[in-house]
Amino acid sequence: EVQLVESGGGLVQPGGSLRLSCAASGLTFSTYWMHWVRQAPGKGLVWVSRISGDGRSTNYADSVKGRFTISRDNAKNTLYLQMNSLRAEDTAVYYCARQSRRDGMDVWGQGTTVTVSS
Amino acid sequence: QSVLTQPPSASGTPGQRVTISCSGSSSNIGNNIVNWYQQVPGTAPKLLIYINNQRPSGVPDRFSGSKSGTSASLAISGLQSEDEADYYCAAWDDSLNAYVFGTGTKVTVL
Repeated sequence: EVQLVESGGGLVQPGGSLRLSCAASGLTFSTYWMHWVRQAPGKGLVWVSRISGDGRSTNYADSVKGRFTISRDNAKNTLYLQMNSLRAEDTAVYYCARQSRRDGMDVWGQGTTVTVSS
Repeated sequence: QSVLTQPPSASGTPGQRVTISCSGSSSNIGNNIVNWYQQVPGTAPKLLIYINNQRPSGVPDRFSGSKSGTSASLAISGLQSEDEADYYCAAWDDSLNAYVFGTGTKVTVL
């Protein structure tokens, strides 16, 4: 069974940093593009970033560009999101998701909650 | 704010047909694949439709997707109580160089 499990969320002060992890199992991790998607409380889904299977290609939403860095360790089957200079508006549940070979994000984690507050 | 616009809500009685629209532009829907996601509150999203009108294994055939020009739509025929959820369209945007989700539509089964 393909499974994605996020971790690393928590409470952080504005301006602080946090690193999220997404542990993958049951798939050939290195062959898939991976995404981070977030959802603020009571709001809709917002795409954050994606990374190619080999880690060489990345894209970011304008709202996080220059502050967040997506990366992966294929040897550990793990996806990361390094979040710096956090703002209150970054408060959300963060999901990692696999991009299906036929397009669309077909496997999602359960999400990890990030709260930015003093 | 999202570049893909959906109605905030839609509703129907069991057995009815409900349609959700998704309006975009030439840089997203007009030039790229549309996917649809279903999210029951408190749970992770689920891929419902990919490549405009394809259903992943396990998705009932009462769900169908279509695309025309810079708009797309999701239809739910034979509405059931378990279809009560939030629905999002999504597509790659060539101008933003980013994946964009629609504003979301809450479907209520009356």
